[in-house]
Amino acid sequence: SAVISQKPSRDICQRGTSLTIQCQVDSQVTMMFWYRQQPGQSLTLIATANQGSEATYESGFVIDKFPISRPNLTFSTLTVSNMSPEDSSIYLCSHTGTDYNEQFFGPGTRLTVL
Amino acid sequence: QKEVEQNSGPLSVPEGAIASLNCTYSDRGSQSFFWYRQYSGKSPELIMFIYSNGDKEDGRFTAQLNKASQYVSLLIRDSQPSDSATYLCAVNVEYGNKLVFGAGTILRVKS
Repeated sequence: SAVISQKPSRDICQRGTSLTIQCQVDSQVTMMFWYRQQPGQSLTLIATANQGSEATYESGFVIDKFPISRPNLTFSTLTVSNMSPEDSSIYLCSHTGTDYNEQFFGPGTRLTVL
Repeated sequence: QKEVEQNSGPLSVPEGAIASLNCTYSDRGSQSFFWYRQYSGKSPELIMFIYSNGDKEDGRFTAQLNKASQYVSLLIRDSQPSDSATYLCAVNVEYGNKLVFGAGTILRVKS
């Protein structure tokens, strides 16, 4: 699978600010996704990052809160806007493999909002 | 709402024993099924996937799928303390690339 990196690996932010998380893949991939993993919880899909078009958001997630960009087949960003302590979570990007829609995850970004 | 259910555990097994992890899913149209391992503070790591009824073996791991019962399991033979982690079941929902994850089962292997 392609190697995925995320930046930053962790951050502590103040309420009301925004943070942009970057996800870089070392080869071109078709599908990229953004997930949230709240403390002690499983993974929840935020959106599918579509190359060259608007992201596809899951129920409960909106573009104004989580704007996503995907300018090419190797890179995507997720912004967490107007943050509140409830946004404290691990944010993970992933990409699909070539066989049966398996997904491979980046190392994650641990966000704490004070 | 498409759901994936797992027993949260923790499941405790002695070193060398077989660990059995179970998962049920609600979407009958699901095609592919995945097991991920997640160590504390790390991201999920793909262990195995299965798409046909029956068993699939990879080293100490065996995935079992029964589509009629909407049930998928993971067996870990000769369990090691290094297998202690949370195991996440994920299901590829019908007509899409999306995965729905279960809540995960915590496995503890005691030496």
